[in-house]
Amino acid sequence: SQQGEEDPQALSIQEGENATMNCSYKTSINNLQWYRQNSGRGLVHLILIRSNEREKHSGRLRVTLDTSKKSSSLLITASRAADTASYFCATEASNTGKLIFGQGTTLQVKP
Amino acid sequence: GAVVSQHPSWVICKSGTSVKIECRSLDFQATTMFWYRQFPKQSLMLMATSNEGSKATYEQGVEKDKFLINHASLTLSTLTVTSAHPEDSSFYICSAEALAGGRDTQYFGPGTRLTVL
Repeated sequence: SQQGEEDPQALSIQEGENATMNCSYKTSINNLQWYRQNSGRGLVHLILIRSNEREKHSGRLRVTLDTSKKSSSLLITASRAADTASYFCATEASNTGKLIFGQGTTLQVKP
Repeated sequence: GAVVSQHPSWVICKSGTSVKIECRSLDFQATTMFWYRQFPKQSLMLMATSNEGSKATYEQGVEKDKFLINHASLTLSTLTVTSAHPEDSSFYICSAEALAGGRDTQYFGPGTRLTVL
């Protein structure tokens, strides 16, 4: 069953602004990953953060993980119109190794 | 980086026919492949886990007789949607877990859009 909850479901911002998306989960995890999906296309892996890490950076992306609250956030700084896409968090469950996806956040960046 | 391909990228079929979707790891060996389904404006739902040389493990609610999975080699898994109906129309995505190295990352294919008329 889906265990990831993401908010907001939809986010609309102006180019240059920062975008923050949140993800919550329910069970113990090995890691948490963020993916991007353009409309009707496959998934692009953005970043992986392990359960013993608290923060990770990759270019304009910053991911935090709080295992005590079972939550993560993805920050995209200085957004661009090309960042318009759906963003999904996915947790790798400790007991099964399976990836469980959140419901996703649809981001629209207006030029 | 690791590349996973799917074929076909899209397919339209009549109700009642069977459709086979292939998932290939192009530059690495994958003992485990996963099949996901994504309905419009929804998230990915894991359907089954496919292990090379053994039977697939299906998630609760997924009919194993309807969604046949074969993982004949370390680079190929196939999903056959048997007697497809309009409600099976969806985006099917596979992923492959590399044999060597860490098992943290699944590499995703580009997806196959199935439309059943």
